[in-house]
This record gives sequence, C-alpha cells and structure tokens, in this order.
Amino acid sequence: KAGVTQTPRYLIKTRGQQVTLSCSPISGHRSVSWYQQTPGQGLQFLFEYFSETQRNKGNFPGRFSGRQFSNSRSEMNVSTLELGDSALYLCASGLGAARREQYFGPGTRLTVT
Amino acid sequence: TQLLEQSPQFLSIQEGENLTVYCNSSSVFSSLQWYRQEPGEGPVLLVTVVTGGEVKKLKRLTFQFGDARKDSSLHITAAQPGDTGLYLCAGQRIQGAQKLVFGQGTRLTINP
Repeated sequence: KAGVTQTPRYLIKTRGQQVTLSCSPISGHRSVSWYQQTPGQGLQFLFEYFSETQRNKGNFPGRFSGRQFSNSRSEMNVSTLELGDSALYLCASGLGAARREQYFGPGTRLTVT
Repeated sequence: TQLLEQSPQFLSIQEGENLTVYCNSSSVFSSLQWYRQEPGEGPVLLVTVVTGGEVKKLKRLTFQFGDARKDSSLHITAAQPGDTGLYLCAGQRIQGAQKLVFGQGTRLTINP
C-alpha cells in the first residue's frame, strides 16, 4: 500500500506571496491532518479534515486554511506569507477512528525569504 | 506551556549503552503513541499504548504507559547508531479541540 505523499517537497517563496501544499493520504484513510514543525516550537497542529469537513483546528491565524476533496486528498493554503512561516509542513492520514494513529508524509520544506 | 513534556530534550550516548526517555503530563490520555523521525522525513509510528500500566516491546525498545495514563517512557537497550533520531510522544486527548497532542521531542544521537 502506498504511503502518504506530499507535493512539492521543497518550496521557496517571498514574503507576501501565497502557497498551496498538497497531500494524498493512504488509500482508505479518510482523515487528513496538517502540522507545522519548526526547531523552536516542535510539531504544532494546524487542522484535521474528515470526509471533506474540518473536524479540528489548531491555534493558527486565518492565513492558514485547508480543504479536503471527495477522494480524501487535501490541500493547505497559506496566504500573505511571513518569514516565520518557514517550516516543515507535515501531512498525516489516518482512519479517523477512536485510536488516532497518524501516518505521516515526508513533508514540504517551505522557506520564506 | 507544553501539554506533554519530554525529557531529556537532547541525549548523546555511546553505542551499547541503555537509555530512557520520558513523556509526562498532568492530563489523562486515552492512548499514547511514540514516533521516530529521521532528518528529511516525517515521523514514523512505533507503538500505541492504550491501557494504564501497559508495556510493549519492539525488539530493543520497551514502551510503558503509566498506571494513571498521564505519562509514558521509552527504554532502549544496547543502543545502536541506527536508533539515532527525534523521538516524539503524542497523547490522544479525551476532550478538547485538538485530539492528538505532541511533545516537543527528544533528539537522540548514538555515537559509534
């Protein structure tokens, strides 16, 4: 079974621009979560989608948004990029059941200059 | 304030030594997971513990869930360079908007 895939793997953007990251979950997984990982803050939860609905949301500004499609693929968008948005963005899929094991993709390394 | 506190944050030891990493909280979790992350990759799930007092072994790794389901430990016997990585614990909250919370991680380096 193929794992979680994320595209692109690396991205360089300029302050003020916007970016869209893509995630394809493991086949059969209906839950997709997004995390931001930085050396200083660790792994921070952004949001979770289940069956095209946002189920949980972390404490991030409205510039961070996401969506999930009917095939469970998900996209995350960040508008008006700031230098502090430079991070590894990780997508994780799961069955969305009571035990929330997460299966992570390799991440997208975003650098904002 | 981190809901899950991991200690130590950094650990560098010689091959063959034993070590223990701790994951502590004042909150009760319905389950707790351990992940290992290598540079340039996403975290990989190692184990899930569900029952208070539960012990699970994965080769040279032993995971324990505290009796009160507020803490967990990871013990590695005879560490090898291949064990090097960032170890993350994650607790599944019973209530709250964010159902899965992560500790800040323990960066482990095993020197040959």
